[in-house]
Amino acid sequence: DAKTTQPTSMDCAEGRAANLPCNHSTISGNEYVYWYRQIHSQGPQYIIHGLKNNETNEMASLIITEDRKSSTLILPHATLRDTAVYYCIVKGGTASKLTFGTGTRLQVTL
Amino acid sequence: DTGVSQNPRHKITKRGQNVTFRCDPISEHNRLYWYRQTLGQGPEFLTYFQNEAQLEKSRLLSDRFSAERPKGSFSTLEIQRTEQGDSAMYLCASSLWADRDAEAFFGQGTRLTVV
Repeated sequence: DAKTTQPTSMDCAEGRAANLPCNHSTISGNEYVYWYRQIHSQGPQYIIHGLKNNETNEMASLIITEDRKSSTLILPHATLRDTAVYYCIVKGGTASKLTFGTGTRLQVTL
Repeated sequence: DTGVSQNPRHKITKRGQNVTFRCDPISEHNRLYWYRQTLGQGPEFLTYFQNEAQLEKSRLLSDRFSAERPKGSFSTLEIQRTEQGDSAMYLCASSLWADRDAEAFFGQGTRLTVV
């Protein structure tokens, strides 16, 4: 699976959009981009995933660049409960395991 | 609650003792995964099952670790002769392997402390 690079930490004001970047320049054609988050002392929570097209669900939007070498997770209106570590993971469609890095620690502040 | 359930949530054991954790996946999910997470790190893959078959084991899974999923439903992870380095959060996840992009859902984890 391709390696990902994320900033170590980010801050966001409550009510504003949180834009979390991820670089995955070695991604292969059959690999998906997954985002999970982990709130302190809880198990990781699935957020969203995509292959080529931008995706949106009730939690977030995923914007993937045309060359697929990077992506951005967007939380449109961040709240204090969105404070967590966010993991960007690239995984092949037929692969089994998720390979987590150290993620981005997002701190949402008042 | 129809999510992934793990028991116990916390376990403190003395070095050298054996411990066993249980994971109940989402009922229709045919894949079950075990991960380990130490402080400040992301989860690391240990092993996974498809139904009752254990299909992959990480090199992290030493001979002291054994996992089973006897009837393709719940799974157990046993650690024999625990060491202080085994102290970690043990996470279980499940997914429905029906197509190539099934997402995994995680339990709350079992936090093991070896003293």
